[in-house]
Amino acid sequence: AQKITQTQPGMFVQEKEAVTLDCTYDTSDQSYGLFWYKQPSSGEMIFLIYQGSYDEQNATEGRYSLNFQKARKSANLVISASQLGDSAMYFCAMRGFFTGNQFYFGTGTSLTVIP
Amino acid sequence: EADIYQTPRYLVIGTGKKITLECSQTMGHDKMYWYQQDPGMELHLIHYSYGVNSTEKGDLSSESTVSRIRTEHFPLTLESARPSHTSQYLCASRLPPGQGIDTQYFGPGTRLTVL
Repeated sequence: AQKITQTQPGMFVQEKEAVTLDCTYDTSDQSYGLFWYKQPSSGEMIFLIYQGSYDEQNATEGRYSLNFQKARKSANLVISASQLGDSAMYFCAMRGFFTGNQFYFGTGTSLTVIP
Repeated sequence: EADIYQTPRYLVIGTGKKITLECSQTMGHDKMYWYQQDPGMELHLIHYSYGVNSTEKGDLSSESTVSRIRTEHFPLTLESARPSHTSQYLCASRLPPGQGIDTQYFGPGTRLTVL
């Protein structure tokens, strides 16, 4: 079974500060991928960053980095130097490589950047 | 980056009507997905497709059907719309293996309201 847990329904961060959005997962797969998506109020889902379970280094993509702790089964998203445009819902997701083609999503975290 | 299109973007209809939500992608992706998402909530998989003439039901039974006659086209049909179908519907597609990051690319969504 696959499960994604996001325990922060809402978060606030001051503009230009860094923020960490939490994500833990549970899977029976030995190999899997972890994803973060951003969903602005317009409703579109935007892919941000990917981490493979076999990757030894944490993924980074511009101001986004993924703090991957495999033993703890956590894949937290770190946004550095927050901008007003970062205000959105953020979803963590995973796919097990051997259990099929489905992606499993968390319940999301609403991030608000304060000027 | 994938180009994936959904029409209509917004739809308001009466109970009992039959509707089809359109989804098209121009990248030749073999795998496509339909999700239902209530505002600010998690995504629920309704249907997915591995390729032409291959469709599977997801975890959420939404009383809808899909077809995949062409690679680029994956329409979702509600035979008899009900108020409980009021939601946002997101279509996504995914690269074939080995052609890039194994993520889903989402369309802009269709916001459906059933009166």
